[in-house]
Amino acid sequence: EADIYQTPRYLVIGTGKKITLECSQTMGHDKMYWYQQDPGMELHLIHYSYGVNSTEKGDLSSESTVSRIRTEHFPLTLESARPSHTSQYLCASVYGNTEAFFGQGTRLTVV
Amino acid sequence: QQQVKQSPQSLIVQKGGISIINCAYENTAFDYFPWYQQFPGKGPALLIAIRPDVSEKKEGRFTISFNKSAKQFSLHIMDSQPGDSATYFCAASRRGPGNQFYFGTGTSLTVIP
Repeated sequence: EADIYQTPRYLVIGTGKKITLECSQTMGHDKMYWYQQDPGMELHLIHYSYGVNSTEKGDLSSESTVSRIRTEHFPLTLESARPSHTSQYLCASVYGNTEAFFGQGTRLTVV
Repeated sequence: QQQVKQSPQSLIVQKGGISIINCAYENTAFDYFPWYQQFPGKGPALLIAIRPDVSEKKEGRFTISFNKSAKQFSLHIMDSQPGDSATYFCAASRRGPGNQFYFGTGTSLTVIP
């Protein structure tokens, strides 16, 4: 079982609210990623980090921001949630050029 | 541009049959090719992976076939079982500080009894 945790698992919020999705890993991995995935669909990379104080935008513009102040923590923030943000958000961490470990995901619904 | 192309999008196989999912990549710098299995409500989990110095890797009922010259790799599931019903993603990555994981679009596999 991978030591990567996402909270909350499920979240329903109103339009315009600010939210932060948490992702933590205890494996000491330098690389971390956020993906957006609609049910049963492909993974879209929205942000990634190669280490502390390193963050990059991925291929999908999601109007979100991330921070990497500590190796183990990679939170994703939506400043103003919209119904189009309704999706599943998956966090992953990687050591070097090997296996990516995924969290259980956060299923977000914006009403 | 899709770095990794995966097909088919969905697949229905009879129990005991062979499931085959194909992927193709463009970047010859890729040197790690994993397959991930995802069940509903869960994050993807590594199933099996291969590096380009071998043409085949087998783990139980799961086999990756790798064709470096064609830039293609495939997942074969032998004796498919209903419990194998899941979404499968191929991926590719390369060494180096700037490497990313590039995922295919996924294949929804249904194994019918």
